[in-house]
Amino acid sequence: QVQLVQSGAEVKKPGASVKISCKASGYSFTRYYIHWVRQAPGHGLEWMGVINPGGETIRYAQNFQGRVRLTRDTSTSTVYMELTSLRSDDTALYYCARDEGLNYGLDVWGQGTTVTVSS
Amino acid sequence: QSVLTQPPSVSAAAGQKVTISCSGSSSNIGKNYVSWYQHLPGAAPKLLIYENNKRPSEIPDRFSGSKSGTSATLGITGLQTGDETDYYCVTWDSSLDSGVFGGGTKLTVL
Repeated sequence: QVQLVQSGAEVKKPGASVKISCKASGYSFTRYYIHWVRQAPGHGLEWMGVINPGGETIRYAQNFQGRVRLTRDTSTSTVYMELTSLRSDDTALYYCARDEGLNYGLDVWGQGTTVTVSS
Repeated sequence: QSVLTQPPSVSAAAGQKVTISCSGSSSNIGKNYVSWYQHLPGAAPKLLIYENNKRPSEIPDRFSGSKSGTSATLGITGLQTGDETDYYCVTWDSSLDSGVFGGGTKLTVL
């Protein structure tokens, strides 16, 4: 079946980096964009960025410019989200989700990865 | 502060209808598709409406979406206790060149 499986929970210290994976299966990996969304405790959903595994399109939210980097490995159908210079307010649940493009609808979601930033 | 404005909360009685608004601008809702998501605690968000008014096959027709100008609306009829959760609108902002979420609306079923 179509699914996105994310890597496990992470605990990081302030200033460190985290890299989360999102492995796709059950569909043609290069035909769908992968978006990243997060939810901090007590807050709403926040869009972070999007990558087209089949092309060159990558976009980032202005709030994360310079701190987030999306990459993909087509040989393993995996997208990676790296967030650097972590702060305590980066503590959140991070999701990847599939879309036919930049904005057609996020129809399949990963299970979420908890990132805790604490000294 | 979110680019898209949703009411923080709405409520209605079980069996009744409720609407949730999502207000944006000419650079986002005014020129791009809107999608809506239901987010239950402990679960990933679920796509309810895409391309303004289309429903995935597994979503019951109690859920509907519409868009007019720079605003969009999610409608839910025949409210059930299981509908009580958070709802989000999403679109693309052509000026920011990024996706944008509404702040979310908590639905209470009385």
